[in-house]
This record gives sequence, C-alpha cells and structure tokens, in this order.
Amino acid sequence: QKEVEQNSGPLSVPEGAIASLNCTYSDRVSQSFFWYRQYSGKSPELIMSIYSNGDKEDGRFTAQLNKASQYVSLLIRDSQPSDSATYLCASRSGGNQFYFGTGTSLTVIP
Amino acid sequence: GAGVSQSPSNKVTEKGKDVELRCDPISGHTALYWYRQSLGQGLEFLIYFQGNSAPDKSGLPSDRFSAERTGGSVSTLTIQRTQQEDSAVYLCASSETGVYADTQYFGPGTRLTVL
Repeated sequence: QKEVEQNSGPLSVPEGAIASLNCTYSDRVSQSFFWYRQYSGKSPELIMSIYSNGDKEDGRFTAQLNKASQYVSLLIRDSQPSDSATYLCASRSGGNQFYFGTGTSLTVIP
Repeated sequence: GAGVSQSPSNKVTEKGKDVELRCDPISGHTALYWYRQSLGQGLEFLIYFQGNSAPDKSGLPSDRFSAERTGGSVSTLTIQRTQQEDSAVYLCASSETGVYADTQYFGPGTRLTVL
C-alpha cells in the first residue's frame, strides 16, 4: 500500500469553478501535509502546507486536513487556466522522508 | 537569490555506463534531498543529507546508487552500471532546518535516459 494515494485524474473544471483535489494517507503518525504544484516539464513548487485538523486558507487555495479519516484536500476557488498543472500531495511523519502521491492532473478550461 | 541548480539538465547514456548527477543547493540550506520521478509517477525518495550527519540512504533502490555531499554543500548522485529502468527525472531539493525544514525548494531536475 502506498503511503499517499491520489486520484490521477485528469480533472477538468471550467474557468471560475472550484477545483477539488483529494488525497489519502496510510501512516497515522504523519504530522505534516503538503500540496505541490508541478507544471509540465517543471519541478514541483510548494503551494500549501497544513499541520492541524481543519481548514487553512491562502488566497484562492484552501487546504483541508482530517486526521481521523486520514485525508487531505485542496480546493482552488475561481480556477484559472494558469492553475492547469499536476498537483502532488505529500506527507511527512517527523522523520526525514517526505512521501509523495502520484499527482492529480488538473485542466482548467477557458 | 539563486535557487537549487542541477547539472546536466539532460543525460543520455548507454546501458551499463556510470553516470554522475550534480546538485547545488541554495546557499545556507543544510538539508538536501534526492528524488526520482518516473513517467506518470510521484516522487520517490532516494537519499537525505542533513549537515554533517550520516545520510539517510533508506530510499536508494540498489547498491548501484550512491551519493555524497562534499563540504555540506554540493551533492553528487552516482548510478553505476545503469539500467533502462533507471531512466527518470532526478530531482534535488534543499531546505533550511528548524521551523522552515518542511519547505523544500526543488531544482530543475536531470532527465536521465538509458538506452
């Protein structure tokens, strides 16, 4: 079983809509969770980190963490074509390793 | 300031040859990670360096893979006797320590193709 699971998509949403990306993790002791954005042919860049249950908002992005259900989600409001990318979910349990999912491909249709 | 740099950006080699991939982390970052990303896959952890501590090599897939970090800065990932399944993008990331340890900055990657 993979540490972090994501639906690979592709997920398509119209411009201006809310994109919802989901991730589940298997290690109950995971403490830190991250969302990275990776444009095609580029390296990942961190867009959100979340450590506590509940919601964390940053501009158009909201990360949600539910440790009891072991899932993390990312909501992108007012989606823009420039949001089209692969979104990687990652966890860290306090050790050195970050565990990454395979990513969800998002396309925002103008 | 300068970000993480990696070289070469692309490397094509023949099966059985050795390759060296280089990573220059952000100045002052004590933590350095190597990952491998195969087509359609997530990032696979390979190795982690933290300052002068012994590296965490638990992610290295075989003994053909090794890495070193000289002077707490530049790191080299070496793959001996390359195989076709080694073809992937090799990404390096660095981070600070303490409260900023979770923020990794990735380099542009080295795309390795083994023929």
